[in-house]
Amino acid sequence: GAVVSQHPSRVICKSGTSVKIECRSLDFQATTMFWYRQFPKQSLMLMATSNEGSKATYEQGVEKDKFLINHASLTLSTLTVTSAHPEDSSFYICSAPRTSGKVQETQYFGPGTRLLVL
Amino acid sequence: QKEVEQDPGPLSVPEGAIVSLNCTYSNSAFQYFMWYRQYSRKGPELLMYTYSSGNKEDGRFTAQVDKSSKYISLFIRDSQPSDSATYLCAMRTPGGFKTIFGAGTRLFVKA
Repeated sequence: GAVVSQHPSRVICKSGTSVKIECRSLDFQATTMFWYRQFPKQSLMLMATSNEGSKATYEQGVEKDKFLINHASLTLSTLTVTSAHPEDSSFYICSAPRTSGKVQETQYFGPGTRLLVL
Repeated sequence: QKEVEQDPGPLSVPEGAIVSLNCTYSNSAFQYFMWYRQYSRKGPELLMYTYSSGNKEDGRFTAQVDKSSKYISLFIRDSQPSDSATYLCAMRTPGGFKTIFGAGTRLFVKA
């Protein structure tokens, strides 16, 4: 099956610092990747759609300048949480849809990154 | 009204029971239906993927889609403690690129 990796799996940082999270599709190319946020015992909340070669598309209420997304290649997307604050502490998960031609098959998720901002 | 409704549970069953997990939806254009399993502090793992109506079986798991009722189900036979997790239903339209997720149902299988 398809594999999506994330790095780091866990990060603890001080308030005010920036944190970068990488998402890689390991055995397929993904022109689009999705970034989700998940609070304890809650479902996935889509934050943004990362597009290779163009700007990311953000969901309503998500600050573009706060959560910087860069889709550097067909297998790599990065999410940078800038000037992190304790309220940014959460579980961040990326996913990549595998496509067959122009048809999207389904999404494969990374293992997630747990961010704790002190 | 949410596009996808899923009872968050928790659902607690004894080992060996048949588990039934369900979702309802409002958008009749949904054609792709998925079930994901998520263990605590892990990313969701794709369990079942079906297109349009009908049943699909994979080992102890059976996914059913009833488009006329806008209702999908996941059945787990001979449930095991290792099945304890949160199960998320998800669906998508043919032309849509975003997947819509249910809230997830927390399942506990007691030994």
